[in-house]
Amino acid sequence: AQSVDQPDAHVTLYEGASLELRCSYSYSAAPYLFWYVQYPGQSLQFLLKYITGDAVVKGTKGFEAEFRKSNSSFNLKKSPAHWSDSAKYFCALEGRNNAPRFGAGTKLTVKP
Amino acid sequence: SVLLYQKPNRDICQSGTSLKIQCVADSQVVSMFWYQQFQEQSLMLMATANEGSEATYESGFTKDKFPISRPNLTFSTLTVNNARPGDSSIYFCSSRDWGVSSYEQYFGPGTRLTVL
Repeated sequence: AQSVDQPDAHVTLYEGASLELRCSYSYSAAPYLFWYVQYPGQSLQFLLKYITGDAVVKGTKGFEAEFRKSNSSFNLKKSPAHWSDSAKYFCALEGRNNAPRFGAGTKLTVKP
Repeated sequence: SVLLYQKPNRDICQSGTSLKIQCVADSQVVSMFWYQQFQEQSLMLMATANEGSEATYESGFTKDKFPISRPNLTFSTLTVNNARPGDSSIYFCSSRDWGVSSYEQYFGPGTRLTVL
């Protein structure tokens, strides 16, 4: 079985601050992990992925994420945050030969 | 990358009716996936559709309720049978590059369905 947990439904911070969105996963084998962003009324956009290799992966829009096998996490980070980063962020897990499963999402609000 | 188009963008239908949602890719793709998203919630994987074979459905989704066709490598159709207000949500098709190693998932713009 595979699952993804995003424990924070909402995160609010001020522009210029550092943001970190949490994601933990459960999977018996090596996972493929992803972050996607969804702006209001729009579809999902790919941000970054971890397949193998370096634990820190960089993606689009200035985001990066760190894969930590020790605590099964894949947190998304960005510094500094910008008001345009306000959106909903989804962490996703893909197992071997499986389609991605998504976490519940974290709604990020960045105040100017 | 893969561009996915969906038709219609939105639809309103009466309870008990059926409707079709089409997904077209701008290049050949091995698998197409269908997701359901209720307002402000997560995306739930409904099924995986490969060309020429029956779709594989996830728990909570059935072939009778949500039949999916995949007649070729660029096209898929999701049908919602006997639509109910509880089916009101956004439906996304999704796929990835033919080169499986890319792993990046692409999404269509979504079809917003309202069942009255």
